[in-house]
Amino acid sequence: QVQLQESGPGLVRPSQTLSLTCSVSGASITTTDHYWTWIRHRPGKGLEWIGYIYYSGTTFYNPSLESRLTISVDTSKNQFSLRLISVTAADTAVYYCAKDGTGEGQLVYWGQGTLVTVSS
Amino acid sequence: QSVLTQSPSASGTPGQRVTISCSGISSNIGTYTVNWYQHLPGTAPRLLIYSDNHRPSGVPDRFSASKSGTSASLAISGLQSEDEADYYCATWDDSLNGHLVFGAGTKLTVL
Repeated sequence: QVQLQESGPGLVRPSQTLSLTCSVSGASITTTDHYWTWIRHRPGKGLEWIGYIYYSGTTFYNPSLESRLTISVDTSKNQFSLRLISVTAADTAVYYCAKDGTGEGQLVYWGQGTLVTVSS
Repeated sequence: QSVLTQSPSASGTPGQRVTISCSGISSNIGTYTVNWYQHLPGTAPRLLIYSDNHRPSGVPDRFSASKSGTSASLAISGLQSEDEADYYCATWDDSLNGHLVFGAGTKLTVL
């Protein structure tokens, strides 16, 4: 059974960098056909795809976030990470990590989500 | 504003059948398969339907979906109180180097 767990600060100051890590168990992060994904849910808004990284290191990002975003993988720890720079209050959200089995939105396995608040 | 259009709300009484629609364009629904998610407050979203009309194991057969052209729909029959949730369609979009898009979500109320 694949399990994912987000970790990182719950509070980030405006203009600073939001960094989250997703620890994966029950699957190798280097396995093909696994697309390691970040999604967020902002208050009062719908689900928003942030981006994903493939085992090879190839990334696809949400065009609206791409200029501020980096998703990376640490194969030695079986983890992948999200880094979003220059955050504002609009980046306040519950952030989820998930595994996409096709790269086209088939997200079966999800972390429980972690709330990140951007505030001074 | 989402690339995929969903009605913001839907409602029904227990036992009824409700349908939730999702409208897109050729670069997304017209080319790629559609997935549907159920999202209850305080929980992670749950994959309800994948590849247009397939149910993952554990999803009741009360949930079904279809796609035609650039539109898709999710149907819930035998509505139950625990079906009250937000429902999202999602698919890949070819524009801007490719990215996943979600609909804005439909809030289903069981009256």
